[in-house]
Amino acid sequence: GDSVTQMEGPVTLSEEAFLTINCTYTATGYPSLFWYVQYPGEGLQLLLKATKADDKGSNKGFEATYRKETTSFHLEKGSVQVSDSAVYFCATLSYNQGGKLIFGQGTELSVKP
Amino acid sequence: GAVVSQHPSRVICKSGTSVKIECRSLDFQATTMFWYRQFPKQSLMLMATSNEGSKATYEQGVEKDKFLINHASLTLSTLTVTSAHPEDSSFYICSARTSGARTDTQYFGPGTRLTVL
Repeated sequence: GDSVTQMEGPVTLSEEAFLTINCTYTATGYPSLFWYVQYPGEGLQLLLKATKADDKGSNKGFEATYRKETTSFHLEKGSVQVSDSAVYFCATLSYNQGGKLIFGQGTELSVKP
Repeated sequence: GAVVSQHPSRVICKSGTSVKIECRSLDFQATTMFWYRQFPKQSLMLMATSNEGSKATYEQGVEKDKFLINHASLTLSTLTVTSAHPEDSSFYICSARTSGARTDTQYFGPGTRLTVL
């Protein structure tokens, strides 16, 4: 079945550092891909998405490009802030499982001043 | 747009009681809602998929008689944890999606922290 694999956390960075969180997926067809962010004690917020190959999703300085050839959707930000500290989830929409979201295990990011 | 609310945000109850959690889509009609459970420092576990006006579809291993789901309208789904026990303590999150499996984006509620004493 469809699956998502993220790099393990926690990831600890200094403020203004460059961020990459790797995400790869296995799926049939051309699924939509998502990054969600979860701040402590809260639900998930959609950060960005891409619906087809070579699409780039972007929001709040974060970017991710849908790479079908490498089945990847890595999350990047050029300069992180303390307020970016959260858990980030990569997800794919599984059309062959009734439209369910398949989540990665989440990557905790901690940004130090 | 695309706001989903949950109520209550936090609930503490005694073992053996039932707890109802509401999930509402505030500015769109949600033909499908999903209920997830999340343990500390873990990913979300899908419990069930709820379609308006029909019975929920439960994931393998989820007790349908314990976790009652009702999706009575296009903006409201409820999860009732019946005869709750301490092992049911968890963070419950709902999400909502507009019509069609290929309408891709799910919007999540803020979650409900359930503590069973």
